[in-house]
Amino acid sequence: DAGITQSPRHKVTETGTPVTLRCHQTENHRYMYWYRQDPGHGLRLIHYSYGVKDTDKGEVSDGYSVSRSKTEDFLLTLESATSSQTSVYFCAISEELRPYEQYFGPGTRLTVT
Amino acid sequence: QKEVEQNSGPLSVPEGAIASLNCTYSDRGSQSFFWYRQYSGKSPELIMSIYSNGDKEDGRFTAQLNKASQYVSLLIRDSQPSDSATYLCAVIEERRGGSNYKLTFGKGTLLTVNP
Repeated sequence: DAGITQSPRHKVTETGTPVTLRCHQTENHRYMYWYRQDPGHGLRLIHYSYGVKDTDKGEVSDGYSVSRSKTEDFLLTLESATSSQTSVYFCAISEELRPYEQYFGPGTRLTVT
Repeated sequence: QKEVEQNSGPLSVPEGAIASLNCTYSDRGSQSFFWYRQYSGKSPELIMSIYSNGDKEDGRFTAQLNKASQYVSLLIRDSQPSDSATYLCAVIEERRGGSNYKLTFGKGTLLTVNP
């Protein structure tokens, strides 16, 4: 998984609780991304980062926020989890010289009850 | 909204046959195209990238791009049961003068290779 870890790998939480997912990379890559994958929708971009403290929204960013205070860490926060946010979340990274080629972490399965 | 379309399948081929996976995209300005393989319960794995019209070969895999028809395909020769997976087509949205590279994914085609 290209030096990418995600934590936790599985989480069950209740509606209305805050949740933070962590993506950690050891590749020193500039770009980091958060996707969610759902049956019938495929992979959709939530947020991405093009450097420390530089982030932007993807196509399904409502209800999510991100932070990147260090090159190696990209955090995804669900401020108040809803059942519609039950999904598998993937982090991806890409390097500055080959920004088009994204490599994915192992994923986090989140269930909101 | 940019769209990437794939036949969801399942596509079933016998072992040793050629598997052909197809993808069309709506944004004529797209320049970069990728194929990812995703085994059940695992994360997507980049297997091919193609940036110019024509064919690109890597082992048993060949990617084909036709920008005029907005069509990209993946051929898998001598298919093996271990090739059974979902194959995702992805297209890059490039911002001119910017530094952001956002992938738009198709929903994937499930390939089953039968022994």
